[in-house]
Amino acid sequence: DAGVIQSPRHEVTEMGQEVTLRCKPISGHNSLFWYRQTMMRGLELLIYFNNNVPIDDSGMPEDRFSAKMPNASFSTLKIQPSEPRDSAVYFCASSLSGGSPLHFGNGTRLTVT
Amino acid sequence: ELKVEQNPLFLSMQEGKNYTIYCNYSTTSDRLYWYRQDPGKSLESLFVLLSNGAVKQEGRLMASLDTKARLSTLHITAAVHDLSATYFCAVVLNRDDKIIFGKGTRLHILP
Repeated sequence: DAGVIQSPRHEVTEMGQEVTLRCKPISGHNSLFWYRQTMMRGLELLIYFNNNVPIDDSGMPEDRFSAKMPNASFSTLKIQPSEPRDSAVYFCASSLSGGSPLHFGNGTRLTVT
Repeated sequence: ELKVEQNPLFLSMQEGKNYTIYCNYSTTSDRLYWYRQDPGKSLESLFVLLSNGAVKQEGRLMASLDTKARLSTLHITAAVHDLSATYFCAVVLNRDDKIIFGKGTRLHILP
């Protein structure tokens, strides 16, 4: 079991650029969550999918953020255009729905200058 | 909207002491998780509590869930320095499996 795999681990970009974060969930897991972590706001749920379908995206900050899950083994979170206030650690997590805990990836540390 | 409140948010304690972290939530849920996060690292699952009255123990940590009071506790017994970390509770909404985290309790145990 390779765990949840996120890439890249670190991303530094300039304001206005497009950023794409990637996540491969644990095989067999049918729920996938994207969280953002900052000192000020803690862990915020951005969006989550069940069986590749977005269930709740009410945490996505604004239209600059979008997420997709084209199949059971891959998801992306895109920010276009990026802004300095988007700087944070972005975590992807997966689980089996129905009581199974979330398994987190190592996160992507995003810095927007 | 589900609100999850942890307290305290920061706790500094001596080795050997006991203490309890509290997690209150605002809506119906009968599933709650506890996680640990070390600085610069990801989150690691500690406990899964799936029903009212559930109690789980691992080493010096014990977690419990009271769904009627909408309260979970994480009790630390005879703290040791290795338990220094940030601890999060996470509540699962019954209606749609949405998982919301508390702000975390940063625990610093002085040797």
